[in-house]
Amino acid sequence: TQLLEQSPQFLSIQEGENLTVYCNSSSVFSSLQWYRQEPGEGPVLLVTVVTGGEVKKLKRLTFQFGDARKDSSLHITAAQPGDTGLYLCAGANAGGTSYGKLTFGQGTILTVHP
Amino acid sequence: GAGVSQSPRYKVAKRGQDVALRCDPISGHVSLFWYQQALGQGPEFLTYFQNEAQLDKSGLPSDRFFAERPEGSVSTLKIQRTQQEDSAVYLCASSLWDRSYNEQFFGPGTRLTVL
Repeated sequence: TQLLEQSPQFLSIQEGENLTVYCNSSSVFSSLQWYRQEPGEGPVLLVTVVTGGEVKKLKRLTFQFGDARKDSSLHITAAQPGDTGLYLCAGANAGGTSYGKLTFGQGTILTVHP
Repeated sequence: GAGVSQSPRYKVAKRGQDVALRCDPISGHVSLFWYQQALGQGPEFLTYFQNEAQLDKSGLPSDRFFAERPEGSVSTLKIQRTQQEDSAVYLCASSLWDRSYNEQFFGPGTRLTVL
């Protein structure tokens, strides 16, 4: 069974602060995805990282995939109240019977106070 | 174009009642997934369809859970004799192909509450 450990589970910060969310596993994934979920809605994809060591930037968000493709991090610079939400990492596998099914971390509930 | 839609959005059932949850994926999407999400947690995989074929049902918690996608488009997740532990949000997602890096588009979910 593949597991993704996501930390921290809760994060409450002031506007303008920086933060990092971590996603770790003992398993190798073919790709890793980060989602953001608002209350009452389904997760929305932010980014997919595929190559070990890959770094992707999306405005104030920086995503990194570990060299061994077992871990990832999400860094937010100068957080804003609009960043508030549930952040989920999810690992995907290729081939076998997985067909891209996602294994999700437990999620990080981020609250950014004005 | 419309995204993934799910109905009903909310369902309250009495313990022992049968429920059916519907998912309308994005037109033309080959892959369809069902996930279960407990409050404040990440979604957990239930089952996977490639067109009309159910290729992976390893995540279904018990034989009370049954899913189908008879014509390769709309899917229904049925739960028989609901129990309180079945209370959760049920998410449906579709993807254009069956590759691991393909984006999965999620519906808004159905929140099931079993009393």
